[in-house]
Amino acid sequence: DGGITQSPKYLFRKEGQNVTLSCEQNLNHDAMYWYRQDPGQGLRLIYYSQIVNDFQKGDIAEGYSVSREKKESFPLTVTSAQKNPTAFYLCASSYGRGSGEQFFGPGTRLTVL
Amino acid sequence: GESVGLHLPTLSVQEGDNSIINCAYSNSASDYFIWYKQESGKGPQFIIDIRSNMDKRQGQRVTVLLNKTVKHLSLQIAATQPGDSAVYFCAEKSPLGTGFQKLVFGTGTRLLVSP
Repeated sequence: DGGITQSPKYLFRKEGQNVTLSCEQNLNHDAMYWYRQDPGQGLRLIYYSQIVNDFQKGDIAEGYSVSREKKESFPLTVTSAQKNPTAFYLCASSYGRGSGEQFFGPGTRLTVL
Repeated sequence: GESVGLHLPTLSVQEGDNSIINCAYSNSASDYFIWYKQESGKGPQFIIDIRSNMDKRQGQRVTVLLNKTVKHLSLQIAATQPGDSAVYFCAEKSPLGTGFQKLVFGTGTRLLVSP
């Protein structure tokens, strides 16, 4: 089955620690995205990548970092510089230059203790 | 500026009723819109999309209407079922200035279906 997987589903972090969220897709999509969702709110774009070895900041990139070493993988690191990291994180992918539908993973819920 | 907003945060309907979820957008140059359904604790699922050269598009039990004059989008769900209970988001495609495009999401409407 083709799709997007995210792991872990739940993640707990102590203040001051960096943590990396995994996102893998086997849809052969060029573009991948990371979004943050807070309770009762819509999705906000953190980072996006159009192709391998390329990525760009989205609307709320401060305190986050990404890499795109493989087409299938787009991990997100939440650093200690992120002031309010507790949120639901969603990874997505799409064909081409962001046109059309984005396919979403199941999400990772990050809680900072 | 760009923004996508929803008129009602929560919509409660009875099973079997038709549901209408509304969405306003501000960018008159937007040419592509999507509706997503998100169940609790899960990622959004694609429902239906529409391009700006269309006024209406139908899927299975769902219809999206686009009124470009007033920059309004609606999602109609026929014969609403308890399984339709979820948060519904509209999103519009927005250029990023790098030749790439992103989706701008609204805040969502929660649909509650009572048996």
